[in-house]
Amino acid sequence: GAGVSQTPSNKVTEKGKYVELRCDPISGHTALYWYRQSLGQGPEFLIYFQGTGAADDSGLPNDRFFAVRPEGSVSTLKIQRTERGDSAVYLCASSLRAGGLLKSHEQFFGPGTRLTVL
Amino acid sequence: AQSVTQLGSHVSVSEGALVLLRCNYSSSVPPYLFWYVQYPNQGLQLLLKYTSAATLVKGINGFEAEFKKSETSFHLTKPSAHMSDAAEYFCAVREDGGSNYKLTFGKGTLLTVNP
Repeated sequence: GAGVSQTPSNKVTEKGKYVELRCDPISGHTALYWYRQSLGQGPEFLIYFQGTGAADDSGLPNDRFFAVRPEGSVSTLKIQRTERGDSAVYLCASSLRAGGLLKSHEQFFGPGTRLTVL
Repeated sequence: AQSVTQLGSHVSVSEGALVLLRCNYSSSVPPYLFWYVQYPNQGLQLLLKYTSAATLVKGINGFEAEFKKSETSFHLTKPSAHMSDAAEYFCAVREDGGSNYKLTFGKGTLLTVNP
């Protein structure tokens, strides 16, 4: 079966532009996470969805960042008025359920979208 | 608040040598601990996880890690490095409570294996 996929794999944009990054989780996974990985850093949590709702958006850096998951499957991370500091790899992960340590709760990561803001 | 410190951003070993990647954590509650590996242009892959059932955890590709509460450590080891082990390794901690299932990662350690 397919893993988590993310599109585009690379996105170059100009400062001030709007971008959308897409995540297709593994089919049937109810939990979806977005992380941001800046150069030389580990991934940092942005937002977590359980089904269609954002259960925890405490990692979103400011109100320029927004994410949706309208049908409980595909998610889109939206960044308005991009800034050079937004340049990073944006990672998406999904799991069958959110917590616990059973195999079904493991977070599976996609390859990421590399965003470059010029 | 939870946090992870990985000592050494870059570790270089010879093929066949012992691999030791260090991870120390800080957590206000008993933590769940993970090691992930990231190959170039690929997503993070789970190597192993600490479940509190056993302090010595065995993972894939011959890796293992030992949870030491007194030292707040979860170091990753492999007895004999292989060229294919060259990658970046991340230690992560998770505190479960309510809806907080996020992973907190260290900055990563790049492992280089020399022939």
